[in-house]
Amino acid sequence: EVQLVQSGAEVKKPGESLKISCKGSGYSFTSYWIGWVRQMPGKGLEWMGIIYPGDSDTRYSPSFQGQVTISADKSISTAYLQWSSLKASDTAMYYCARHVREDGSGDAFDIWGQGTMVTVSS
Amino acid sequence: QSALTQPASVSGSPGQSITISCTGTSSDVGGYNYVSWYQQHPGKAPKLMIYEVSNRPSGVPDRFSGSKSGNTASLTISGLQAEDEADYYCSSYTSSSTPHVVFGGGTKLTVL
Repeated sequence: EVQLVQSGAEVKKPGESLKISCKGSGYSFTSYWIGWVRQMPGKGLEWMGIIYPGDSDTRYSPSFQGQVTISADKSISTAYLQWSSLKASDTAMYYCARHVREDGSGDAFDIWGQGTMVTVSS
Repeated sequence: QSALTQPASVSGSPGQSITISCTGTSSDVGGYNYVSWYQQHPGKAPKLMIYEVSNRPSGVPDRFSGSKSGNTASLTISGLQAEDEADYYCSSYTSSSTPHVVFGGGTKLTVL
């Protein structure tokens, strides 16, 4: 079964760092782009960026460039999303998802992780 | 404010058809055939329903169809069923500033 399994919920204080993960299985992890999507409480979906685990080529939305870092470790089929200094406004559900096509075209995500809830509060 | 504009809500009765619109610009919806639609039930991850304007992933009922005209894409659901009640989001590749993907603000579908 093709699936993405994300790390568990996190509760952090403002200014702390955080790295959440997304482990792929059931397919060639290095052959498909993986993206991250933010959903703030009660709000819509926001595309944050994508990474190609095969060579770690990474693209960011202008809204998230410089705010987060996307990375991947292909040896363990895992993608990451990290923050160096969290803010209360980072409180949201974060989803990882796999591109529908191996070549990255289509710009759609067909396989989604279950989501990781990040709460930032003093 | 989202880059793509969707109606906040639509509704229909079981068996009816509804259409959700998604309006962008020539830099996104109108310029590329990379429009996708997602369904999201409360507390669940989104599910891909349509990609590349009108392609359905395996397992998605053919009651769901997508189309595009100019800068507006549409998702049509025919033969509405109770389980179709959910939030629906469109997305599109955009070439504005750094190429990336943008989502619409979402549409709440209520099955009466």
